[in-house]
Amino acid sequence: KAGVTQTPRYLIKTRGQQVTLSCSPISGHRSVSWYQQTPGQGLQFLFEYFSETQRNKGNFPGRFSGRQFSNSRSEMNVSTLELGDSALYLCASKVAGRSETQYFGPGTRLLVL
Amino acid sequence: ELKVEQNPLFLSMQEGKNYTIYCNYSTTSDRLYWYRQDPGKSLESLFVLLSNGAVKQEGRLMASLDTKARLSTLHITAAVHDLSATYFCAVDGAGTYKYIFGTGTRLKVLA
Repeated sequence: KAGVTQTPRYLIKTRGQQVTLSCSPISGHRSVSWYQQTPGQGLQFLFEYFSETQRNKGNFPGRFSGRQFSNSRSEMNVSTLELGDSALYLCASKVAGRSETQYFGPGTRLLVL
Repeated sequence: ELKVEQNPLFLSMQEGKNYTIYCNYSTTSDRLYWYRQDPGKSLESLFVLLSNGAVKQEGRLMASLDTKARLSTLHITAAVHDLSATYFCAVDGAGTYKYIFGTGTRLKVLA
């Protein structure tokens, strides 16, 4: 079974630009969560989608948004990029419930110059 | 606000020794997750602990959960070099689907 895939793997942007990251979950998984990982702030929860609905979101500004499609693939968008948005963005998928294991993708490393 | 604290943050230990990583969290939760991250890699799920008193073991790692004390432990038995990694615990606050991660414990096992 194929794992969670994320594209692109690496990205360089400049301040003020916007970026869209993509995540394809494991087949049959309907829940996708997004995380930001930085050396200073650690791993922070961005949002979680299930069946195209956002179930919860973390404490990030409105510049961070996401969506999920009917095939469970998910995208996250960051508008008006800031230097502090440089990070590893991870997505994770699971079938549905809280008690299940999350499977993480390899991440997208974003550098904002 | 749900907070998750791990200690120690860094752990350097000799092969063959035992040690415990602690994970404390601030609000009610009956689910706790442990992950491993190798340098430059993504996270790998180790354990999902689902109830008070839950204990799970895989190889040299054993995790337990005490929901009353809001404490989970990850015990390492007879450490080997391959266990060198960063270990994270995570909690979702009372069914919110909002997962809060601990700071991580960077483990280095010395030969």
